[in-house]
Amino acid sequence: AQTVTQSQPEMSVQEAETVTLSCTYDTSESNYYLFWYKQPPSRQMILVIRQEAYKQQNATENRFSVNFQKAAKSFSLKISDSQLGDTAMYFCAFMGPTSGTYKYIFGTGTRLKVLA
Amino acid sequence: DAGVIQSPRHEVTEMGQEVTLRCKPISGHDYLFWYRQTMMRGLELLIYFNNNVPIDDSGMPEDRFSAKMPNASFSTLKIQPSEPRDSAVYFCASSLPAGGLETQYFGPGTRLLVL
Repeated sequence: AQTVTQSQPEMSVQEAETVTLSCTYDTSESNYYLFWYKQPPSRQMILVIRQEAYKQQNATENRFSVNFQKAAKSFSLKISDSQLGDTAMYFCAFMGPTSGTYKYIFGTGTRLKVLA
Repeated sequence: DAGVIQSPRHEVTEMGQEVTLRCKPISGHDYLFWYRQTMMRGLELLIYFNNNVPIDDSGMPEDRFSAKMPNASFSTLKIQPSEPRDSAVYFCASSLPAGGLETQYFGPGTRLLVL
C-alpha cells in the first residue's frame, strides 16, 4: 500500500531564512506524481509545487523548490527567503495508479511558523 | 474562473439530522474529489468522480455517507443520519482530464459541526 510520511509535526524559521520540510513515501509504482500543498489559517488548500516521478530535474517555483530522491523515496520542500505569509500547514501528497484507478494520499502535515 | 465553489461554508446541526454539502467544480474539469479533514485523521479522500461517474469510493466511511454527481457542474455529499464524529472540514476539489488530473484545485471547504 502506498503511504506518505511527514515526520516533522511542527517547525519554525526566522523570516528571510531557509527551511526544509521532509516527506517520504512508499510505492511500488514507477510513474506517479508528488505534491506539496499549503493550508494557511484560512483553511484553503493551495498547490505549492508538483513533481512528476519520471522527471529527474527537481521542480522549482520561485522561492519553493524540491529535492526529489526517487530511489530513496524522499520528496523534501525547501522554502528560501521565508516570509511571514508562508506560515501555514504544509501537506505532502502522492498520486499514482493502483488496481486500475488512482490513489491520492496526503501526509499528516507539517505546521510551519515563520517568525519575525 | 471562480474556482471550486462549496456551500455552505459552515454548518451546525444536531445528531441524527441529514446534512447535504454541495460543490461546483471548475468548468471543464472532469474529475471531482471529496475529502474530509480532522485533527485526528488528517486529510482523507472519501470518493472521486470522473465524468460524473464514481470511480473510487473506498474512502467513504460507512453507509451513512453518500455522494452524487448528477451533472458535470454539481456534486453533493450527504450524511444521514449525522453523528458528532462526523464533525470535520469537508473539501471538494476538481482537476483536469487525464494528463492534468494530477493537479487538484480545492474549494474553501465546509466546516461541519454535529452536536
